[in-house]
Amino acid sequence: QVQLQESGPGLVKPSETLSLTCTVSGGSISSYYWSWIRQAPGKGLEWIGYFHYSGSTSYHSSLKGRITISVDTSKNQFSLKLRSVTAADTAVYYCARSGAPPLAAFDSWGQGTLVTVSS
Amino acid sequence: SYELTQPPSVSVSPGQTATITCSGDKLGDKYACWYQQKPGQSPILIIFQDNKRPSGIPERFSGSNSGNTATLTISGTQAMDEADYYCQAWDTGTAIFGTGTKVTVL
Repeated sequence: QVQLQESGPGLVKPSETLSLTCTVSGGSISSYYWSWIRQAPGKGLEWIGYFHYSGSTSYHSSLKGRITISVDTSKNQFSLKLRSVTAADTAVYYCARSGAPPLAAFDSWGQGTLVTVSS
Repeated sequence: SYELTQPPSVSVSPGQTATITCSGDKLGDKYACWYQQKPGQSPILIIFQDNKRPSGIPERFSGSNSGNTATLTISGTQAMDEADYYCQAWDTGTAIFGTGTKVTVL
């Protein structure tokens, strides 16, 4: 049973870079697609982007230019960097696994980590 | 950009059937899936590829997808099914989530 665990600062200042890491256990990161998904307080789910170990990436169009998702296969981790954050980026951030789009769904999720953007 | 629209809320009596719709342009040409999210918890996958249930998901959850609408049906709704439900599909390499539906079991 694969498990995902997010980690990173819970508070980020406006204009700075939000950095989160997802550690995958119970399975190899060298397969599947690895996504970040966020949920602003009281709001719905918003997909941010994915990384596949082959190097394939896809990012949400509204966040393109501010996002980098990368994978460290040696540590079985993948990471999110979101630059130039504002209060609108305050959310619970989830990491999740899926198979290849467009057939696949997000079948494993981390517990989520709340990131607040505030000075 | 592609959008998936759900009713904000659905109310159902225990034991009755709850139906949640998800509308999007030619959604039937895509694969739809559904997630259940309870307060303070991560979403869990309950339906994938329109109508398949992952291991461990009760049979009372079923799905369909045709035309512009995907539908999640909860038969014999139980109190434990009270949660938010989100549909999701892929559009040109981007994952799109529906607006979400809060199911209340009265």
